[in-house]
Amino acid sequence: GAGVSQSPSNKVTEKGKDVELRCDPISGHTALYWYRQSLGQGLEFLIYFQGNSAPDKSGLPSDRFSAERTGESVSTLTIQRTQQEDSAVYLCASSRYGTLVPDTQYFGPGTRLTVL
Amino acid sequence: GNSVTQMEGPVTLSEEAFLTINCTYTATGYPSLFWYVQYPGEGLQLLLKATKADDKGSNKGFEATYRKETTSFHLEKGSVQVSDSAVYFCALSDTEAAGNKLTFGGGTRVLVKP
Repeated sequence: GAGVSQSPSNKVTEKGKDVELRCDPISGHTALYWYRQSLGQGLEFLIYFQGNSAPDKSGLPSDRFSAERTGESVSTLTIQRTQQEDSAVYLCASSRYGTLVPDTQYFGPGTRLTVL
Repeated sequence: GNSVTQMEGPVTLSEEAFLTINCTYTATGYPSLFWYVQYPGEGLQLLLKATKADDKGSNKGFEATYRKETTSFHLEKGSVQVSDSAVYFCALSDTEAAGNKLTFGGGTRVLVKP
């Protein structure tokens, strides 16, 4: 079936503007993750959703970052008042189970965010 | 907390050479271990995984063995091809904790020359 998809693939914005990134997970996957890949920090975890449970937000770098997910479908990552240090590739991944069992995460192609 | 350390690149090899990328980890629980690969212009793809000590993951001629005594998961391939040029990431997930979120190493860029 279809893999994880993300949109837009590229986003250029001005400092101070808000941006919204979208992720469509693999159908039937209950767990959804957001990661960020940047030159200075490598690949880092941001937030995790599992079904209807409260999300694990422990990786969000500041309160300008938030994310939502409706049920087991689409997720949006919102960055408010973007800063230049937010420039990175934002990766979404999904997995079938997500919790307490060894599981494999499948990654989308990413959204490259550039803050001018 | 959990952490992954892998050798820095770039690693430059000739075709048919032997490739080793070292990876060691620190984890509080009983992690699963992964190697992901990112080919130029593409997204992260799972290359192989191992979920318990002494397991060997293998795929596309690559192998890695989960060594609990040395907390290592080194990636090897006996004869690389130009098409293996990519960035390789070692990662762990802690299955004792909810979420299985991945902790990644810094990545190793491999360049295979014909």
